[in-house]
Amino acid sequence: AQSVAQPEDQVNVAEGNPLTVKCTYSVSGNPYLFWYVQYPNRGLQFLLKYITGDNLVKGSYGFEAEFNKSQTSFHLKKPSALVSDSALYFCAVRDGVTGGGNKLTFGTGTQLKVEL
Amino acid sequence: EAGVAQSPRYKIIEKRQSVAFWCNPISGHATLYWYQQILGQGPKLLIQFQNNGVVDDSQLPKDRFSAERLKGVDSTLKIQPAKLEDSAVYLCASSLDPGANSPLHFGNGTRLTVT
Repeated sequence: AQSVAQPEDQVNVAEGNPLTVKCTYSVSGNPYLFWYVQYPNRGLQFLLKYITGDNLVKGSYGFEAEFNKSQTSFHLKKPSALVSDSALYFCAVRDGVTGGGNKLTFGTGTQLKVEL
Repeated sequence: EAGVAQSPRYKIIEKRQSVAFWCNPISGHATLYWYQQILGQGPKLLIQFQNNGVVDDSQLPKDRFSAERLKGVDSTLKIQPAKLEDSAVYLCASSLDPGANSPLHFGNGTRLTVT
């Protein structure tokens, strides 16, 4: 069965500093990896995805994520954090194995707090 | 493009009552999903439709939950009777196709409180 782990419930960072939100995954086949962001009382918004190709994926709002197959990780990064980046971030995975379906499994989320 | 529309935004009911949620996906999106998000947890897939057919309902508590997408566009999710543990945000999402690399687009959700 596929699964996602987000080891940190909360990440605090000062504005202007780089941020990293961690994610590790487990699938049978090739992973299709996604990051979503959720603002209070809103639905999830798609940030970026990794399907194949370059390990560094660039997405919306200056975010990027690095796929590491050996470590089964897909950490979300941003070089310079903004207060407006404060939100709940979800990592998600789909199993690309043939016949494995395309069910999207989410992690438990990491609350990012960016302070002045 | 218009996003995924859901209604109502909030609903408070007593246990053993029934409730229904409505979703209108993005125009042209063939795949529709209902997710349950309990406070402090990630969203959990309840049911996935491809047009008006069910693709995956393995995690839907079928003794009390039901969903339909009769014309392959709008969808309703019903709970009857509700239990306290059903308190959650119910998210509807849609995607252009069911392909594994097709991102989901979410509505703002319906927050259900069961007392």
